[in-house]
Amino acid sequence: AQKVTQAQTEISVVEKEDVTLDCVYETRDTTYYLFWYKQPPSGELVFLIRRNSFDEQNEISGRYSWNFQKSTSSFNFTITASQVVDSAVYFCALSEAQTLSGNTPLVFGKGTRLSVIA
Amino acid sequence: ETGVTQTPRHLVMGMTNKKSLKCEQHLGHNAMYWYKQSAKKPLELMFVYSLEERVENNSVPSRFSPECPNSSHLFLHLHTLQPEDSALYLCASSQDLSVTGMNTEAFFGQGTRLTVV
Repeated sequence: AQKVTQAQTEISVVEKEDVTLDCVYETRDTTYYLFWYKQPPSGELVFLIRRNSFDEQNEISGRYSWNFQKSTSSFNFTITASQVVDSAVYFCALSEAQTLSGNTPLVFGKGTRLSVIA
Repeated sequence: ETGVTQTPRHLVMGMTNKKSLKCEQHLGHNAMYWYKQSAKKPLELMFVYSLEERVENNSVPSRFSPECPNSSHLFLHLHTLQPEDSALYLCASSQDLSVTGMNTEAFFGQGTRLTVV
């Protein structure tokens, strides 16, 4: 069965600090996809990144970077030089390979609430 | 307009009421989802519609009844709910795997904050 664990429930940092949000996943499939979403106070989940299981290259997008390591089943997310606007709940999610229906909904972790203090 | 729109944003209903949540997507996707987000729980998948047919029902009580009249609209009909059903209900859409051959990301609406009194 698939499972996503975000062990950090809440994190508080001071503005301009770097912060890493941890994500550990479980799956029996060799083909799967990993995602990160941001949920600001307004409620909607904002897509940040998708990574497939065959691509272990780390990715950087501005102040955001992601470290995918299959050996430890982890897909960690780092925000560099954090800003107050980064305050939100961040969700890691997993989608396994195609089912008979052709659809593989996301399974989410419990989320990490990040508070960036000015 | 945003990609996925949910109405109403907030809803308070009594346990004997009947109400409906609405979701509309303007992204041309052919799969739509209902998720429930309760305090201190992971996002729980409730229903999946792919090509307007229900393909997954995650053991959701019958007091929740989904409807997908076309690929752009998804409803969640509510009746005789319980206080523990109070939560944020999120709608999402994506492009179905069988069409694209890959897992695309899901796009979410802002949710309906439901309170059952």
